[in-house]
Amino acid sequence: DGGITQSPKYLFRKEGQNVTLSCEQNLNHDAMYWYRQDPGQGLRLIYYSQIVNDFQKGDIAEGYSVSREKKESFPLTVTSAQKNPTAFYLCASNREWGQGNTGELFFGEGSRLTVL
Amino acid sequence: AQKVTQAQTEISVVEKEDVTLDCVYETRDTTYYLFWYKQPPSGELVFLIRRNSFDEQNEISGRYSWNFQKSTSSFNFTITASQVVDSAVYFCALTDRDDKIIFGKGTRLHILP
Repeated sequence: DGGITQSPKYLFRKEGQNVTLSCEQNLNHDAMYWYRQDPGQGLRLIYYSQIVNDFQKGDIAEGYSVSREKKESFPLTVTSAQKNPTAFYLCASNREWGQGNTGELFFGEGSRLTVL
Repeated sequence: AQKVTQAQTEISVVEKEDVTLDCVYETRDTTYYLFWYKQPPSGELVFLIRRNSFDEQNEISGRYSWNFQKSTSSFNFTITASQVVDSAVYFCALTDRDDKIIFGKGTRLHILP
Protein backbone atom coordinates (compact mmCIF):
# COMPACT_ATOMS: atom_id res chain seq x y z
CA ASP A 1 0.00 0.00 0.00
CA GLY A 2 1.15 3.54 -0.69
CA GLY A 3 1.91 5.78 2.19
CA ILE A 4 4.45 7.50 4.38
CA THR A 5 6.74 5.60 6.69
CA GLN A 6 8.45 7.29 9.58
CA SER A 7 11.09 5.65 11.72
CA PRO A 8 11.82 5.15 14.46
CA LYS A 9 8.47 5.49 16.20
CA TYR A 10 10.14 6.17 19.53
CA LEU A 11 13.62 7.53 20.07
CA PHE A 12 15.61 8.49 23.13
CA ARG A 13 18.61 10.74 22.92
CA LYS A 14 21.12 12.12 25.32
CA GLU A 15 21.71 15.84 25.40
CA GLY A 16 24.37 16.95 22.95
CA GLN A 17 23.69 14.19 20.43
CA ASN A 18 22.40 14.62 16.93
CA VAL A 19 19.63 12.31 15.80
CA THR A 20 18.12 11.69 12.38
CA LEU A 21 14.46 10.86 11.82
CA SER A 22 13.61 8.99 8.66
CA CYS A 23 10.69 9.75 6.36
CA GLU A 24 10.02 7.71 3.22
CA GLN A 25 7.06 7.96 0.87
CA ASN A 26 6.02 5.79 -2.06
CA LEU A 27 3.21 8.06 -3.22
CA ASN A 28 5.34 9.75 -5.89
CA HIS A 29 4.64 13.12 -4.29
CA ASP A 30 6.89 16.06 -5.05
CA ALA A 31 6.32 18.04 -1.86
CA MET A 32 7.30 16.86 1.62
CA TYR A 33 7.05 18.53 5.03
CA TRP A 34 8.26 18.16 8.59
CA TYR A 35 6.13 19.35 11.49
CA ARG A 36 6.73 19.40 15.19
CA GLN A 37 3.83 18.89 17.60
CA ASP A 38 3.94 19.95 21.24
CA PRO A 39 1.02 19.76 23.67
CA GLY A 40 -1.19 22.80 23.24
CA GLN A 41 0.92 24.15 20.38
CA GLY A 42 -0.59 22.42 17.42
CA LEU A 43 1.66 21.62 14.46
CA ARG A 44 4.52 23.92 13.63
CA LEU A 45 6.37 23.75 10.32
CA ILE A 46 10.08 22.98 10.53
CA TYR A 47 11.13 22.51 6.89
CA TYR A 48 9.46 21.74 3.61
CA SER A 49 10.62 20.66 0.19
CA GLN A 50 8.74 21.09 -3.04
CA ILE A 51 11.19 19.27 -5.27
CA VAL A 52 14.32 17.15 -5.09
CA ASN A 53 17.50 18.99 -4.06
CA ASP A 54 15.54 21.98 -2.81
CA PHE A 55 13.99 22.84 0.55
CA GLN A 56 12.86 25.87 2.54
CA LYS A 57 12.83 26.77 6.19
CA GLY A 58 9.55 26.78 7.99
CA ASP A 59 8.68 28.72 11.12
CA ILE A 60 10.95 26.87 13.56
CA ALA A 61 13.94 25.66 11.52
CA GLU A 62 16.64 26.60 14.04
CA GLY A 63 18.44 23.55 15.35
CA TYR A 64 17.21 21.31 12.55
CA SER A 65 18.56 20.27 9.17
CA VAL A 66 17.13 18.33 6.24
CA SER A 67 18.16 16.91 2.90
CA ARG A 68 16.21 15.94 -0.19
CA GLU A 69 18.49 13.85 -2.37
CA LYS A 70 15.72 11.53 -3.51
CA LYS A 71 12.08 12.22 -4.24
CA GLU A 72 10.88 9.57 -1.83
CA SER A 73 13.07 10.50 1.13
CA PHE A 74 13.17 13.57 3.38
CA PRO A 75 15.19 12.88 6.55
CA LEU A 76 15.22 15.35 9.44
CA THR A 77 18.26 15.78 11.68
CA VAL A 78 17.68 17.20 15.13
CA THR A 79 20.99 18.72 16.08
CA SER A 80 22.45 19.45 19.49
CA ALA A 81 21.71 23.12 18.79
CA GLN A 82 17.98 22.50 19.18
CA LYS A 83 17.37 23.62 22.74
CA ASN A 84 14.13 21.78 23.41
CA PRO A 85 13.97 18.80 21.07
CA THR A 86 11.58 16.58 23.01
CA ALA A 87 8.46 16.48 20.86
CA PHE A 88 6.34 14.50 18.44
CA TYR A 89 7.56 14.86 14.85
CA LEU A 90 5.29 14.37 11.88
CA CYS A 91 6.32 13.99 8.25
CA ALA A 92 3.87 14.67 5.43
CA SER A 93 3.74 14.73 1.67
CA ASN A 94 1.56 16.58 -0.77
CA ARG A 95 0.07 15.34 -3.99
CA GLU A 96 -0.10 18.72 -5.67
CA TRP A 97 1.34 22.13 -5.09
CA GLY A 98 2.11 25.31 -6.89
CA GLN A 99 1.02 28.91 -6.47
CA GLY A 100 -1.18 28.06 -3.58
CA ASN A 101 -2.91 25.16 -5.27
CA THR A 102 -2.07 22.79 -2.49
CA GLY A 103 -3.72 19.47 -2.06
CA GLU A 104 -4.29 17.43 1.04
CA LEU A 105 -1.37 16.34 3.15
CA PHE A 106 -0.69 12.67 3.74
CA PHE A 107 0.90 12.06 7.12
CA GLY A 108 3.11 9.42 8.60
CA GLU A 109 2.46 7.98 12.05
CA GLY A 110 5.02 10.22 13.66
CA SER A 111 8.23 9.84 15.65
CA ARG A 112 8.33 10.66 19.34
CA LEU A 113 11.71 11.97 20.42
CA THR A 114 12.66 12.20 24.07
CA VAL A 115 15.86 13.81 25.22
CA LEU A 116 17.16 12.43 28.49
CA ALA B 1 1.06 36.94 8.13
CA GLN B 2 -0.98 33.79 7.87
CA LYS B 3 -2.67 32.66 11.03
CA VAL B 4 -5.23 30.08 12.10
CA THR B 5 -7.04 30.40 15.40
CA GLN B 6 -8.96 27.60 17.06
CA ALA B 7 -10.21 29.25 20.21
CA GLN B 8 -11.68 26.09 21.71
CA THR B 9 -8.88 24.13 23.34
CA GLU B 10 -11.03 21.29 24.57
CA ILE B 11 -14.71 20.37 24.23
CA SER B 12 -16.72 17.61 25.88
CA VAL B 13 -20.20 16.59 24.76
CA VAL B 14 -22.41 13.62 25.39
CA GLU B 15 -22.83 11.12 22.60
CA LYS B 16 -25.53 12.01 20.04
CA GLU B 17 -25.23 15.71 20.70
CA ASP B 18 -24.22 18.06 17.90
CA VAL B 19 -20.94 19.93 18.27
CA THR B 20 -19.32 22.76 16.32
CA LEU B 21 -15.59 23.37 16.17
CA ASP B 22 -14.62 26.94 15.35
CA CYS B 23 -11.84 28.06 13.04
CA VAL B 24 -10.90 31.65 12.24
CA TYR B 25 -8.12 32.47 9.81
CA GLU B 26 -6.06 35.45 8.68
CA THR B 27 -4.44 35.86 5.29
CA ARG B 28 -3.62 38.62 2.85
CA ASP B 29 -3.83 36.28 -0.12
CA THR B 30 -6.91 36.17 -2.30
CA THR B 31 -6.20 32.59 -3.30
CA TYR B 32 -5.85 30.12 -0.48
CA TYR B 33 -7.05 26.75 0.73
CA LEU B 34 -8.56 25.72 4.03
CA PHE B 35 -8.43 22.25 5.51
CA TRP B 36 -9.68 20.20 8.43
CA TYR B 37 -7.73 17.22 9.77
CA LYS B 38 -8.53 14.69 12.46
CA GLN B 39 -5.86 13.26 14.75
CA PRO B 40 -7.04 10.12 16.58
CA PRO B 41 -5.05 8.74 19.52
CA SER B 42 -2.81 6.78 17.12
CA GLY B 43 -1.21 10.10 16.14
CA GLU B 44 -1.53 10.06 12.37
CA LEU B 45 -3.47 13.00 10.96
CA VAL B 46 -6.35 12.17 8.65
CA PHE B 47 -7.56 14.56 5.98
CA LEU B 48 -11.24 15.52 6.20
CA ILE B 49 -11.85 18.35 3.74
CA ARG B 50 -10.24 20.99 1.53
CA ARG B 51 -11.99 24.18 0.47
CA ASN B 52 -10.59 26.86 -1.84
CA SER B 53 -11.15 30.54 -1.26
CA PHE B 54 -13.44 30.92 -4.24
CA ASP B 55 -15.90 28.28 -3.18
CA GLU B 56 -18.10 29.41 -0.30
CA GLN B 57 -20.63 26.66 -0.62
CA ASN B 58 -21.19 24.72 2.54
CA GLU B 59 -20.44 21.03 2.39
CA ILE B 60 -21.99 18.02 4.04
CA SER B 61 -20.49 14.58 4.25
CA GLY B 62 -22.54 12.20 6.31
CA ARG B 63 -22.59 13.52 9.87
CA TYR B 64 -19.94 16.12 9.08
CA SER B 65 -20.63 19.58 7.70
CA TRP B 66 -18.53 22.66 7.10
CA ASN B 67 -19.55 26.31 7.03
CA PHE B 68 -17.17 28.60 5.14
CA GLN B 69 -17.80 32.35 5.48
CA LYS B 70 -15.27 34.72 3.94
CA SER B 71 -17.01 37.73 5.48
CA THR B 72 -16.01 36.55 8.94
CA SER B 73 -12.89 34.59 7.86
CA SER B 74 -14.30 31.46 9.44
CA PHE B 75 -14.41 27.82 8.45
CA ASN B 76 -16.38 26.00 11.13
CA PHE B 77 -16.87 22.26 11.39
CA THR B 78 -20.01 20.63 12.78
CA ILE B 79 -20.47 17.01 13.79
CA THR B 80 -24.09 15.97 13.99
CA ALA B 81 -25.20 13.17 16.30
CA SER B 82 -21.71 12.72 17.65
CA GLN B 83 -20.26 9.30 18.37
CA VAL B 84 -17.51 8.11 20.69
CA VAL B 85 -15.33 7.37 17.64
CA ASP B 86 -15.35 11.08 16.88
CA SER B 87 -13.16 11.68 19.92
CA ALA B 88 -9.90 13.12 18.62
CA VAL B 89 -7.96 16.32 18.14
CA TYR B 90 -9.17 18.33 15.18
CA PHE B 91 -6.98 20.77 13.32
CA CYS B 92 -7.92 23.56 10.97
CA ALA B 93 -5.22 24.59 8.46
CA LEU B 94 -4.56 27.26 5.85
CA THR B 95 -2.26 27.30 2.86
CA ASP B 96 -0.90 30.29 1.03
CA ARG B 97 0.73 31.09 -2.30
CA ASP B 98 4.07 29.79 -1.04
CA ASP B 99 2.48 26.40 -0.33
CA LYS B 100 3.23 26.61 3.34
CA ILE B 101 0.49 24.94 5.31
CA ILE B 102 -0.21 26.60 8.64
CA PHE B 103 -2.12 24.75 11.34
CA GLY B 104 -4.17 25.99 14.24
CA LYS B 105 -3.44 24.69 17.73
CA GLY B 106 -6.19 22.15 17.53
CA THR B 107 -9.35 21.37 19.47
CA ARG B 108 -9.47 18.23 21.57
CA LEU B 109 -12.95 16.74 21.35
CA HIS B 110 -14.25 14.28 23.93
CA ILE B 111 -17.44 12.41 23.15
CA LEU B 112 -18.78 10.92 26.35
CA PRO B 113 -20.85 7.72 26.21
